[in-house]
Amino acid sequence: RKEVEQDPGPFNVPEGATVAFNCTYSNSASQSFFWYRQDCRKEPKLLMSVYSSGNEDGRFTAQLNRASQYISLLIRDSKLSDSATYLCVSGDYGGATNKLIFGTGTLLAVQP
Amino acid sequence: DAMVIQNPRYQVTQFGKPVTLSCSQTLNHNVMYWYQQKSSQAPKLLFHYYDKDFNNEADTPDNFQSRRPNTSFCFLDIRSPGLGDAAMYLCATSRELGTDTQYFGPGTRLTVL
Repeated sequence: RKEVEQDPGPFNVPEGATVAFNCTYSNSASQSFFWYRQDCRKEPKLLMSVYSSGNEDGRFTAQLNRASQYISLLIRDSKLSDSATYLCVSGDYGGATNKLIFGTGTLLAVQP
Repeated sequence: DAMVIQNPRYQVTQFGKPVTLSCSQTLNHNVMYWYQQKSSQAPKLLFHYYDKDFNNEADTPDNFQSRRPNTSFCFLDIRSPGLGDAAMYLCATSRELGTDTQYFGPGTRLTVL
């Protein structure tokens, strides 16, 4: 079982649509969670951190459910420029482990 | 201004010919990481340095080595590249270990002929 699992997509949505991505993680000891965005053939860039209380940044809302080991990202009013791969990431720290564990990403294609 | 710089952006090498990838940072961060990302796969951590302390992931092949001569620079050496080592190699930095944000460089795309 992968440590971080995501639906690879692609999610093809029209401009202005609302789209939601989900992600599950297997390590209940994971301490922090993030969504990164990766454009084609570019490096990952931090989109937002994910907190248990949920957090919002403009059109983007992230939620964490520790009981279900589940993370979500909601994008409202999709723009063409939102087209990218969205990587769900858990941070495992402590002991001999100190690293980010990436999911394989969910591809979003926003259509005009 | 670029904060994490990787050179070259594209590298072609021959099967078995050693290759070195370079990463430099202007952030004065303590931690530098090397990730390998193959097509349609997640980035996978190979190793990281905290200052001069080297930390190798358990499943990183011996073929991959790293050097960090100073705070700013970190190198990835692939001693005998195989066809399976063709990938994007991403360097990242963070101020500290733990929950600090990791900043990624643009990556070096390695092709092995």
